[in-house]
Amino acid sequence: TQLLEQSPQFLSIQEGENLTVYCNSSSVFSSLQWYRQEPGEGPVLLVTVVTGGEVKKLKRLTFQFGDARKDSSLHITAAQPGDTGLYLCAGPYSGGGADGLTFGKGTHLIIQP
Amino acid sequence: EAQVTQNPRYLITVTGKKLTVTCSQNMNHEYMSWYRQDPGLGLRQIYYSMNVEVTDKGDVPEGYKVSRKEKRNFPLILESPSPNQTSLYFCASSFKPGRIYGYTFGSGTRLTVV
Repeated sequence: TQLLEQSPQFLSIQEGENLTVYCNSSSVFSSLQWYRQEPGEGPVLLVTVVTGGEVKKLKRLTFQFGDARKDSSLHITAAQPGDTGLYLCAGPYSGGGADGLTFGKGTHLIIQP
Repeated sequence: EAQVTQNPRYLITVTGKKLTVTCSQNMNHEYMSWYRQDPGLGLRQIYYSMNVEVTDKGDVPEGYKVSRKEKRNFPLILESPSPNQTSLYFCASSFKPGRIYGYTFGSGTRLTVV
């Protein structure tokens, strides 16, 4: 079973601060994706990382895929209230069994004005 | 607008009364999937479909049925709902499953079984 563990589970910080959230596994993933989910809505894809060591930037968000492709991080610079949400990492199933994506349980992020 | 449409958004029903949650996508995606989201358990895959007439079980298929008669539609059927199926359900679609294609999710269906 491929498990994705996300930390921290909850994070509440002030507007303007920086933060990093993590997604870790004991399994190697061919790629990882990050989604953001707002209350009452479905998750929305932010980024896909596919190469070990890859870094992608999306405005104030920086995503990194670990060299061994077992972990990923999301760094937010100068967080804003609009960044509030549930951040989910996901990776494709492999090795038989189900197809599609397996998800971590997420990090609940609150940015206070 | 490219989207996945689920209906209804909210549903309260009684134990044992059959129900169907509809899902439709307008992106010509081959792959569709159903997830349930529960506090502390995250998103778990119920069923998925690689293409028309091709469906398979996910991690938590018990108590659910699906069908894929048309490419755009992927309904979720609860033949005899029970209270442990109270959850937030999401339908998702993708061009293809795999390492680089992301999912487009619907807005969710909050189901309560009493």
